[in-house]
Amino acid sequence: DVKVTQSSRYLVKRTGEKVFLECVQDMDHENMFWYRQDPGLGLRLIYFSYDVKMKEKGDIPEGYSVSREKKERFSLILESASTNQTSMYLCASSLRTGGVAKNIQYFGAGTRLSVL
Amino acid sequence: KQEVTQIPAALSVPEGENLVLNCSFTDSAIYNLQWFRQDPGKGLTSLLLIQSSQREQTSGRLNASLDKSSGRSTLYIAASQPGDSATYLCAVHSNQFYFGTGTSLTVIP
Repeated sequence: DVKVTQSSRYLVKRTGEKVFLECVQDMDHENMFWYRQDPGLGLRLIYFSYDVKMKEKGDIPEGYSVSREKKERFSLILESASTNQTSMYLCASSLRTGGVAKNIQYFGAGTRLSVL
Repeated sequence: KQEVTQIPAALSVPEGENLVLNCSFTDSAIYNLQWFRQDPGKGLTSLLLIQSSQREQTSGRLNASLDKSSGRSTLYIAASQPGDSATYLCAVHSNQFYFGTGTSLTVIP
């Protein structure tokens, strides 16, 4: 079974702190994604990556950055956390076929981040 | 930009009923559509993936259909059980992945 592991289930941080959310997948997937999920808004794509050291902005990249130094690991960074970044963060991965992600997305269990 | 809508937002049915969840999308140029299940406070579990060239996919009591030209997909759940209670999300893959806000299903014993 594919396993996508997010390092923390719950995090509480203070405004202005630098926050790292880590995601690791064990199936050699090329694609990795970071979403946030908010009530009434659904899942929104923050960033994604098609390969090591490659990144693409999603719909809501402002206030976030990412790092993909190794294929299995995709990190989401909040440079200076703000209260409006309180949310559930979900990481996902998938295979890439023929240059297009045609395959199933597998999700981690999520990290619930509270910024006080 | 792709917009994905799921109706109804919430649904409550007695155990044993068959039910249909709906998903609509605005841009028919998609690679695939995926249905997920999410339990409270948890991540998403993939249920079914339909490629753009397919019309339907089945897994156990679940059947998903896709009508790309009309921008619609349905998830049919047969003989519902209390363990089916969860939020069901559809996601459309066009230039990126777009999710609906989900249908919260409660199956009453």
